[in-house]
Amino acid sequence: ETGVTQSPTHLIKTRGQQVTLRCSSQSGHNTVSWYQQALGQGPQFIFQYYREEENGRGNFPPRFSGLQFPNYSSELNVNALELDDSALYLCASSLANAGGGEQFFGPGTRLTVL
Amino acid sequence: GESVGLHLPTLSVQEGDNSIINCAYSNSASDYFIWYKQESGKGPQFIIDIRSNMDKRQGQRVTVLLNKTVKHLSLQIAATQPGDSAVYFCAENSGGSNYKLTFGKGTLLTVNP
Repeated sequence: ETGVTQSPTHLIKTRGQQVTLRCSSQSGHNTVSWYQQALGQGPQFIFQYYREEENGRGNFPPRFSGLQFPNYSSELNVNALELDDSALYLCASSLANAGGGEQFFGPGTRLTVL
Repeated sequence: GESVGLHLPTLSVQEGDNSIINCAYSNSASDYFIWYKQESGKGPQFIIDIRSNMDKRQGQRVTVLLNKTVKHLSLQIAATQPGDSAVYFCAENSGGSNYKLTFGKGTLLTVNP
């Protein structure tokens, strides 16, 4: 069984640029959620994808967007980067309607915006 | 609004002691409450969850207690080991199965040998 993987591990961008982060879900999981974790804080929910459609969104502006592909992998896109976007971006996969609160997290992508 | 918070930001224990990490929540409508462990440089790792209609659940060396009257959640770790050193987050799951998780700020647990 393959766990959740994310790429790249680290990324440095400048303000105003655009970034794409990638996530491969755990084998058999059809739902992917993205979280932003600022230093010293708990993860904050960005959005969730199920059946290639957004299935719920947190309090993030439209410049945060995503995609889910037929193989359940996902991308997080952030446009017009701001300094405050510097954070660890976590992807979590789960099986819809499996019950319980368990989501399996990847190691994250550390984004630094200069 | 929804919020999940922790009473203690740091907890230091001796190896072999029992640890108790506490959490307060405010959303009575949450379906599940979950504890995650996050080691440095890694993503959160699921420890245990409890459904809102339960008040206690046990796992391997861990027990989660849910007190809905005072909206309080706790994680008990028995015979704490150095490998348990990490940041522990409580989270609540609202909106149905596998919907968004709302995390608290975390408690740093340090286990002294």
